[in-house]
Amino acid sequence: EVQLVESGGGLVQPGGSLRLSCAASGFTFNSYEMNWVRQAPGKGLEWVSYISSSGSTIYYADSVKGRFTISRDNAKNSLYLQMNSLRAEDTAVYYCARDSPRIGHWFDPWGQGTLVTVSS
Amino acid sequence: EIVMTQSPATLSVSPGERATLSCRASQSVSNNLAWYQQRPGQAPRLLIYGASTRATGIPARFSGSGSGTEFTLTISSLQSEDFAVYYCQQYNNWPPLTFGGGTKVEIK
Repeated sequence: EVQLVESGGGLVQPGGSLRLSCAASGFTFNSYEMNWVRQAPGKGLEWVSYISSSGSTIYYADSVKGRFTISRDNAKNSLYLQMNSLRAEDTAVYYCARDSPRIGHWFDPWGQGTLVTVSS
Repeated sequence: EIVMTQSPATLSVSPGERATLSCRASQSVSNNLAWYQQRPGQAPRLLIYGASTRATGIPARFSGSGSGTEFTLTISSLQSEDFAVYYCQQYNNWPPLTFGGGTKVEIK
């Protein structure tokens, strides 16, 4: 069974840092591109970042560029999101999501999400 | 950035009835569009990709259509488990990958 399990969320003060992890299983992780998508409380979905299967190509949403860093460890079947200089507006559930196996960039499956709360 | 607009924001439908959800792109995305379902307290689930191809395990009552800037998700006969929020997402011009604001399908 394909599974993505996020961890690392929690309460952090504005300006602080947090590192999210996503453990993948049930598929050949190093063959898939991966993404982070977030959802603020009661709001819609916002794509955050993308990383290619090798890690050589990375993209970010403008809202997080320069503050967040996506990375992966294919030997550990893991995806990461290092979040620095956190702001109140970064409060959200963060999902890791596998990219499509074909040409295109849809998300399937998604992890269950981890909640990040930025507040003093 | 391509802006995705979904309508209506909320759709009230009786069980067994048909639901039609719309998604509009600010410029052509060809058929590079996906639909997701999100039930309360759950992660989103892929329903449709390529504007009209059902994902694995998705019931046939879900269908997608459209191309260019206008897209439709149709649920032919609503079941209790279909009451949820639905999002469209374009992947034609990126980054960024962009979602619509969602349509909530509620019980009438």
